[in-house]
Order: sequence, then structure tokens, then C-alpha cells
Amino acid sequence: EDQVTQSPEALRLQEGESSSLNCSYTVSGLRGLFWYRQDPGKGPEFLFTLYSAGEEKEKERLKATLTKKESFLHITAPKPEDSATYLCAVQAMRGGATNKLIFGTGTLLAVQP
Amino acid sequence: DAGVIQSPRHEVTEMGQEVTLRCKPISGHNSLFWYRQTMMRGLELLIYFNNNVPIDDSGMPEDRFSAKMPNASFSTLKIQPSEPRDSAVYFCASSPGTSGSHEQYFGPGTRLTVT
Repeated sequence: EDQVTQSPEALRLQEGESSSLNCSYTVSGLRGLFWYRQDPGKGPEFLFTLYSAGEEKEKERLKATLTKKESFLHITAPKPEDSATYLCAVQAMRGGATNKLIFGTGTLLAVQP
Repeated sequence: DAGVIQSPRHEVTEMGQEVTLRCKPISGHNSLFWYRQTMMRGLELLIYFNNNVPIDDSGMPEDRFSAKMPNASFSTLKIQPSEPRDSAVYFCASSPGTSGSHEQYFGPGTRLTVT
């Protein structure tokens, strides 16, 4: 069964204190791994897609990396506005047309000034 | 682009009533998804459509839930009769492709409270 596990469940950082969020996955063939940001009361906002082990993508203070078993979202010198829940999702290789995503339960990040 | 539009944003109803949630996907997107989010279970896929055709409804909890997509610009999720355990935030998302790997774009959600 395809599964996504995110850790930690919650993370509190001081402004400027860099850290990483983890997303471990079990899937029968990875088609893509997605990172989303969700602010309270809003829908998830797309950040990155990673397709193969070794791939990296960056956006401002965020960098996502991918291995064969997990993905990391590195946050460099975070600011209070980076506070949000970060969600990871995987799409599995399947025969036929399928673009179903399996989501993890997210990491709630709080960055204090 | 207006993004994915959902209505209503908030719905409060009594147990046993019918609830209809509405979604307008991003123009030109070929896939549409309905999700439910709760604290206990996180974000769960209920059903998705490719080119207006339901592809996977295995996440629909029971027969009380039904979804339709009569055309490329409109979809509904109906709960009849509603129960308190249906209280959650329901999201609609759309994606530009029907196969391959494509990101999904989410609407603002409908917060449903069933009393």
C-alpha cells in the first residue's frame, strides 16, 4: 500500500534558525513527489515537484531534495512568514491514466521573530 | 486566472439535511479532484474526474456521498443525508493533465459543519 509519513508533526524555530522537514514514502514506483504549503483557512499551495532521486529544486528560502525513500524540505534562515503547514504527496506509477496523489499529514512549522 | 472557485465557503446544516458543494476548476484543466480534510485523517481524496468522467471514487465514504461533473467548468459534491461525522473542510482541486505527473491547484475550501 502506498504510504507517506511526515516528520516532525510540529516544529518551532527561531527566525534565522535553519532546519529540515522530512517526508518518507513507500510507493510502488514513484511518478512524482509534491510539496505544498497550507496557511490556516486556505487550500494547499503548490511549491515543488520532484521526479527522480538526486533531484533538487529551490524557491527563495526553501530547497526540496529527493532520494529513493524520502524527501527533505530544507528551510534556510526562515522568517515568520514561512510559518505554515507543509504537506508532502506522492503520485505512484500505475498502468493507465491516473494522477491520484497520496498526502502525508503535514508538518506544522512556526517561526518566531 | 481566477484559480479554483468553491462555494459556499462555509456551510452549517442540521443532521439529515442535504448538502451540495460546488466547484469551478481552472479553465483548460482536464482533471478535477474532491478532497476532505480533518485533523484526525488529514487530506483524503474522495473522487477524481478526467475530462468530466469519474475515474476513481474509492475514497467516497459511503452511498450518502455523490459527485457529478456535467461539464468542464462545473462539479458538485452532494451529501444526503448529512451526519455530524461529515463535518470537515472539503477542497476541490484541478490539474492541467489527465496522465503523467501534474501538480494540482486547490480552491479555498468549504468548511462544513453538521449539527
